[in-house]
Amino acid sequence: GAVVSQHPSRVICKSGTSVKIECRSLDFQATTMFWYRQFPKQSLMLMATSNEGSKATYEQGVEKDKFLINHASLTLSTLTVTSAHPEDSSFYICSARVAGVYNQPQHFGDGTRLSIL
Amino acid sequence: ILNVEQSPQSLHVQEGDSTNFTCSFPSSNFYALHWYRWETAKSPEALFVMTLNGDEKKKGRISATLNTKEGYSYLYIKGSQPEDSATYLCAPNAGGTSYGKLTFGQGTILTVHP
Repeated sequence: GAVVSQHPSRVICKSGTSVKIECRSLDFQATTMFWYRQFPKQSLMLMATSNEGSKATYEQGVEKDKFLINHASLTLSTLTVTSAHPEDSSFYICSARVAGVYNQPQHFGDGTRLSIL
Repeated sequence: ILNVEQSPQSLHVQEGDSTNFTCSFPSSNFYALHWYRWETAKSPEALFVMTLNGDEKKKGRISATLNTKEGYSYLYIKGSQPEDSATYLCAPNAGGTSYGKLTFGQGTILTVHP
C-alpha cells in the first residue's frame, strides 16, 4: 500500500519550455504532498508543501512564480517549472502523507530527472 | 535551516558484517525522526518513524535508536547483505507537530560487497 506515482521520470527539453510533473497517490488520499529538489551530491531540499484545495507553502528562496504547484484533488499534485532554463536542471521528487494519520512516514515517487538544454 | 548531519558519508563493508551509522540533529523543537532507505533507481522507502527519547525500533536485520536530549539517532544493520546496499537518509521533523516538514541529511551510502 501507500504507492506514489510520479510522471514523467525523465524530461529533456529546450530552454524556455514549461514542464509539468505529476505526483499521484494511487491507493490513499493525501491532503499534503511535498516537492523536493536534489542537486548532485546534496540532500533532498524541500521546495514547497502542497495542500489540497489551498495555496502551496514555499520554502525560502524558492520562486513561486517559477515553480507553480497545483493540488486540485486528494490524489494529485502537479509541479510546473515555467520557462525552464539550464539552471533548473535537477532531480525533482514528490512525496505524500496519508491524510489524517499521525506520525506516518512520507511516501515517495520515483522522481523526475529534468535536463534543460 | 536545520543542520542535519549523517556520518559516515559512505561505507563499504563485506557481506555478513554488521554496521552502524549516525544521524545528528538539533534537539530543540523535536517532534519525530524519520529514516529512509533509497536504492538506486527506486523511490525512498520508509524504515522508521521515531518519536520518543530512548525509542528503539527494529525491522528484520535493521534497527534504530533515538536520543532526543542530545540529538542523535543510530541505525544498525546486522549481518549486512548485498541487497542492503543503498543510501540511508535521516530526516528530523522539528516543526513541533505531527505535520511538520522534514529536513533531510545528505545520507550515508552503504555498499555491501559479496
